[in-house]
Amino acid sequence: DVKVTQSSRYLVKRTGEKVFLECVQDMDHENMFWYRQDPGLGLRLIYFSYDVKMKEKGDIPEGYSVSREKKERFSLILESASTNQTSMYLCASSLQTSRGPVSSFFGPGTRLTVL
Amino acid sequence: AQSVTQLDSQVPVFEEAPVELRCNYSSSVSVYLFWYVQYPNQGLQLLLKYLSGSTLVKGINGFEAEFNKSQTSFHLRKPSVHISDTAEYFCAVSLSGYSTLTFGKGTMLLVSP
Repeated sequence: DVKVTQSSRYLVKRTGEKVFLECVQDMDHENMFWYRQDPGLGLRLIYFSYDVKMKEKGDIPEGYSVSREKKERFSLILESASTNQTSMYLCASSLQTSRGPVSSFFGPGTRLTVL
Repeated sequence: AQSVTQLDSQVPVFEEAPVELRCNYSSSVSVYLFWYVQYPNQGLQLLLKYLSGSTLVKGINGFEAEFNKSQTSFHLRKPSVHISDTAEYFCAVSLSGYSTLTFGKGTMLLVSP
């Protein structure tokens, strides 16, 4: 079974802290993504990666960075957490085929609260 | 750039009634279309997808959707809902050949007895 895991389901941090959110997939997928989900706004793409050490900005990258040192792992970093980064963070991965990408598989999410 | 509009933020319905969740998209190029479901406190699960071919797509849990290119719509339907279908439903689009998804804002389906 396809699996995307996220390191924490719930996380509480203080303003100004550096925060790491980890995501691991066991499907050998090339593509990995970080989204944030807020009520009434749906999911918005923060960053994505097509390959190891490659990263691309999504729609709302400000205040975030990412790291992909290994194919199966994609980390989201909040350099200095702020209260407006309180949100649900969802990681996803997808396989790249000759026809293009196939559907994304999502992790269970990390609910981050910044106090 | 592509965009997705889900016209209803909430859809209340009684158990065993039919339901339609509406989704419209805008794009000047070919797209892939998806519906995802999110149960409380869980991640997103794929319900169904349209990549090419038949415009009527069947998914899991008795859901189906129809791709209408002229109306740029991809509405989700189920002929008879259950209490367990209570969840948030997201329509998403990706450009053909690209992996990033653009999501709608979601529709909360509330099924009551």
